Amino acid sequence: SYELTQPPSVSVSPGQTARITCSGDALPKQYAYWYQQKSGQAPVLVIYEDTKRPSDIPERFSGSSSGTMATLTISGAQVEDEGDYYCYSSDSSDNHGVFGGGTKLTVL
Amino acid sequence: QITLKESGPSLVKPTQTLTLTCSFSEFSLNTSGVGVGWIRQPPGKALDWLAVIYWDDDRRYSPSLTSRLTITKDTSKNQVVLTMTNMDPVDTATYYCVHTLPYYYGNGDYSKGDDTFDIWGQGTMVTVSS
Repeated sequence: SYELTQPPSVSVSPGQTARITCSGDALPKQYAYWYQQKSGQAPVLVIYEDTKRPSDIPERFSGSSSGTMATLTISGAQVEDEGDYYCYSSDSSDNHGVFGGGTKLTVL
Repeated sequence: QITLKESGPSLVKPTQTLTLTCSFSEFSLNTSGVGVGWIRQPPGKALDWLAVIYWDDDRRYSPSLTSRLTITKDTSKNQVVLTMTNMDPVDTATYYCVHTLPYYYGNGDYSKGDDTFDIWGQGTMVTVSS
């Protein structure tokens, strides 16, 4: 079955740049999406179609994708950005969805 | 503004069938390019994509759960129903329904699976225990 692989954790100091990666064999052909989940809350979309940012998401969030890896970048991470981040994409053959295992971002 | 709300039992017994309803407002599943999906999250674990149904009644299921899942829509009631058979304690999770937008090429064609989950319900916790 198709899998997306993320690092379990990323830690940065406030103001630093946080980068969270997501690797998957179908990413050259399929878009990547990123969701932020804070403790006890439903996930929130932060990046869609590899690089697009919803209008209510701060500009410090950006996305990129190259080959089999997609990257979420938080430039100047803030304490309020702490939480779990999940990438999502689809299997190119059956077009069913899959989430990565999630990355816990710590900003301190 | 679009809202979605999940409803269903909070406790089911092993082997029973779970039926969850997603009631939504401010959009219609008769509109091209719209879908409603289900995603779950076991306590302390990752998100797990389950199923989606689109405006044209196209349905997609997680390959590992396809034999147990059924997703249907009632456009007159603005509801989507997910049933999962043969429940097991490992199915204990928070179940979310999501407003789903497949990628649109702009010529009438969509890339289903390239889905943006832009609006999420609050989730409903389901525990499987005897």
